[in-house]
Amino acid sequence: EAQVTQNPRYLITVTGKKLTVTCSQNMNHEYMSWYRQDPGLGLRQIYYSMNVEVTDKGDVPEGYKVSRKEKRNFPLILESPSPNQTSLYFCASSLRGPNTEAFFGQGTRLTVV
Amino acid sequence: GEDVEQSLFLSVREGDSSVINCTYTDSSSTYLYWYKQEPGAGLQLLTYIFSNMDMKQDQRLTVLLNKKDKHLSLRIADTQTGDSAIYFCAEATGSYQLTFGKGTKLSVIP
Repeated sequence: EAQVTQNPRYLITVTGKKLTVTCSQNMNHEYMSWYRQDPGLGLRQIYYSMNVEVTDKGDVPEGYKVSRKEKRNFPLILESPSPNQTSLYFCASSLRGPNTEAFFGQGTRLTVV
Repeated sequence: GEDVEQSLFLSVREGDSSVINCTYTDSSSTYLYWYKQEPGAGLQLLTYIFSNMDMKQDQRLTVLLNKKDKHLSLRIADTQTGDSAIYFCAEATGSYQLTFGKGTKLSVIP
């Protein structure tokens, strides 16, 4: 089954404790991206990747890092999480770029206390 | 920069038509999308329209595009309770990004 898998689905952590949210897709898609969804703000793009070893900033990259060492994986790293990063995070992939259908993961609800 | 605007809420009675509106600002948009988000789930693509089209119909869904006014709409015919969700308009631009609106929460009253 074609899917985008994020882990964990839920995470509560403390300020400053490094964490990684994993994202994996099994569709051989080139393009992957991370979004955060906040009430009243909709979805905002954090980072995206056009292919292996190619990443670029989205609209709200501060406080986040990503890597794309393999085509299927695109982890989101918070080196020093802060409470304002409490949000619902979505990973998405598409065959080539944003001009092709995006498939979304189920989301990761992160709470930073 | 690019901006996509949607009204936040819409309430309709079961069996009526729903019309969700969206405006965008980037005239270089190539594709425009409608995504649906059900509670506790990720987004799923509903339909899309290429920027050189005016209309696209797919079963109960009709997408209308007015390029001059940069206005996009999604009409859902015979709205059902299962259509209750948040609907996102999104535009793909030449900057390799997909820009989403804030989402319209559709509530269907039985």
